[in-house]
Amino acid sequence: DSGVTQTPKHLITATGQRVTLRCSPRSGDLSVYWYQQSLDQGLQFLIQYYNGEERAKGNILERFSAQQFPDLHSELNLSSLELGDSALYFCASSFRAGGNTGELFFGEGSRLTVL
Amino acid sequence: AQSVTQPDIHITVSEGASLELRCNYSYGATPYLFWYVQSPGQGLQLLLKYFSGDTLVQGIKGFEAEFKRSQSSFNLRKPSVHWSDAAEYFCAVGGGSQGNLIFGKGTKLSVKP
Repeated sequence: DSGVTQTPKHLITATGQRVTLRCSPRSGDLSVYWYQQSLDQGLQFLIQYYNGEERAKGNILERFSAQQFPDLHSELNLSSLELGDSALYFCASSFRAGGNTGELFFGEGSRLTVL
Repeated sequence: AQSVTQPDIHITVSEGASLELRCNYSYGATPYLFWYVQSPGQGLQLLLKYFSGDTLVQGIKGFEAEFKRSQSSFNLRKPSVHWSDAAEYFCAVGGGSQGNLIFGKGTKLSVKP
């Protein structure tokens, strides 16, 4: 158990819809990362937050957004969903950013299926 | 740009045989290197990491990896594979100012009885 909690574990929705994925980081960790895992693209970094502020952006679509709340949990919002958005979305946490050399602790992921 | 290459998409080994999974990286400075394992339906678990010092690092579950700067490689090894090692293995590089990790596309390991 990594200590990172993601909900929901599975989600099935239709094209054009909007969903919200939630992540609670490991106790004490200030930084949250979102990754998308698909068969063709592998593990793609989407976005990172540190103590409530956006820290780094990766390959995140404009239809996607995220935020980190004062209690440090994070939400990833996916809107105008397309079939290609079907993937496993991982949240990870670590305790510091900026020169962080540490490992990331991963949740078990939220599997999104868009029909 | 940072990148990680895992040249083998799928490897099959017999139980009890030795294993080596290849990883090459591209990074502008001293890299921090990681190997993660993902079992079906699970998240990623850290096997081992290299930050500095001894270039041969030991990890969990009997795995080890060797950092070779001259070859830009960080190959994962295990002397004797167990059936429970069947999983997907990801090499990653990090240490940038952001802290995020860049992952390779993974190597799926199958173990024959």
